[in-house]
Amino acid sequence: AQSVTQPDIHITVSEGASLELRCNYSYGATPYLFWYVQSPGQGLQLLLKYFSGDTLVQGIKGFEAEFKRSQSSFNLRKPSVHWSDAAEYFCAVGDYKLSFGAGTTVTVRA
Amino acid sequence: GAGVSQTPSNKVTEKGKYVELRCDPISGHTALYWYRQSLGQGPEFLIYFQGTGAADDSGLPNDRFFAVRPEGSVSTLKIQRTERGDSAVYLCASSRGQGLNTEAFFGQGTRLTVV
Repeated sequence: AQSVTQPDIHITVSEGASLELRCNYSYGATPYLFWYVQSPGQGLQLLLKYFSGDTLVQGIKGFEAEFKRSQSSFNLRKPSVHWSDAAEYFCAVGDYKLSFGAGTTVTVRA
Repeated sequence: GAGVSQTPSNKVTEKGKYVELRCDPISGHTALYWYRQSLGQGPEFLIYFQGTGAADDSGLPNDRFFAVRPEGSVSTLKIQRTERGDSAVYLCASSRGQGLNTEAFFGQGTRLTVV
C-alpha cells in the first residue's frame, strides 16, 4: 500500500527565511513523488515531481526537493520565502492514483 | 477552456437527496480523475477514467457513488441518498494521458455540504 506522512501540520516562517517541509512515504516499488501547493480559493498546483534520475529536483517558484531512498523522504525546500508562499502544501506518491499526505499549512510573517 | 472547470462551485443539499457534480477537463486530455478532500485532510482518490471507461474505481466509498464520462470528455460524479459524511470538496483533475510524464491539472473543486 502507498501512503504519505507529513509530520508538520503547521509551520510559521519569517519572510526571507528558509523553509523546509517534511514528507515521508511508503511505496512498494520505485516511488513517484510529487509536491502540490493549494492557495485559498485556488486549485492544487504542481510544484515539482520526481520519477527517476537526479535526486535533487527543481520546481517552480524557487522550490526544490530531495529524494532520499534510505530515509523514505522527499522534503521540500525553499531558500528564501516570500509572503505569497503562504499556502497549504501537499506531498503525494503514486502514478495515476495519487496518495496525498494531510498537508502542511505555511504561514509567512513579515 | 484554459483549465479544468468544475460546476457548481458550491452545493448545499439535504440529507437523502441526490446530487450531480460536473467536471469539464482540459480539451484533449484523455485521463480524468476524481478526488475528495475532507476538511483538514489531503485529497483522496475516488476514480480514474481513461477515455470513456473507468479504469480504476477502487476509491469510490460505496455504491451510492457513481461517475460517468460518456463521451470521453465531461464527467459527472453522482451521489445518491447523500449523507452528512459526504460533505467535502470534490476535486477533478485531467491529464494528457496515462503515465508518469503527464501532469494532472486540478480544478478548483466543488464544495458539497449536506445538511
